Amino acid sequence: DAGVIQSPRHEVTEMGQEVTLRCKPISGHNSLFWYRQTMMRGLELLIYFNNNVPIDDSGMPEDRFSAKMPNASFSTLKIQPSEPRDSAVYFCASSPRSGNSPLHFGNGTRLTVT
Amino acid sequence: GDSVTQMEGPVTLSEEAFLTINCTYTATGYPSLFWYVQYPGEGLQLLLKATKADDKGSNKGFEATYRKETTSFHLEKGSVQVSDSAVYFCALSDLSNTGKLIFGQGTTLQVKP
Repeated sequence: DAGVIQSPRHEVTEMGQEVTLRCKPISGHNSLFWYRQTMMRGLELLIYFNNNVPIDDSGMPEDRFSAKMPNASFSTLKIQPSEPRDSAVYFCASSPRSGNSPLHFGNGTRLTVT
Repeated sequence: GDSVTQMEGPVTLSEEAFLTINCTYTATGYPSLFWYVQYPGEGLQLLLKATKADDKGSNKGFEATYRKETTSFHLEKGSVQVSDSAVYFCALSDLSNTGKLIFGQGTTLQVKP
């Protein structure tokens, strides 16, 4: 079990550029979550999928953010255009089923927008 | 809506001291409760959980008891080690049965030798 795999681990980009973060959930997990972590706001849920379908995207800060899950083994979070205030650590997590199952987190992508 | 409140940190203790990190929650119904730990540069890892009132979750010397009457899930450890230094998050499960968790703001623990 390789765990949840995120790439890249670090991303530094200039304001206005497009950023794509990637996530491979644990095989067999059917729920996937994208979180953002900052010192000021803590851990925020951005969006989550169940069986590849977006269930709730109310946490996505604005239209510059979009997320997709084209299949059960891959998801992307895209920011276009990026802004300095998007700088944060972005975590992907997956869960084997709904209800009381614990989340399994990846090691995150640290994004810096200059 | 549902929410989780943790004591503010940082918490600084000497090795072998007793640890308590307070966590209270607001929720409709009876959610499951979790403690997660985040070590520097890593994602969150499940530390322990409790799924119903009066359940006690335990792992690696840490314990927490689901207290419905006080809507609390305080984390305790009898003797902390330097290696316990990390950020600890309390969380509850969303009752919509989607697997969604609501996290507290996190409490940083620093243990000094």
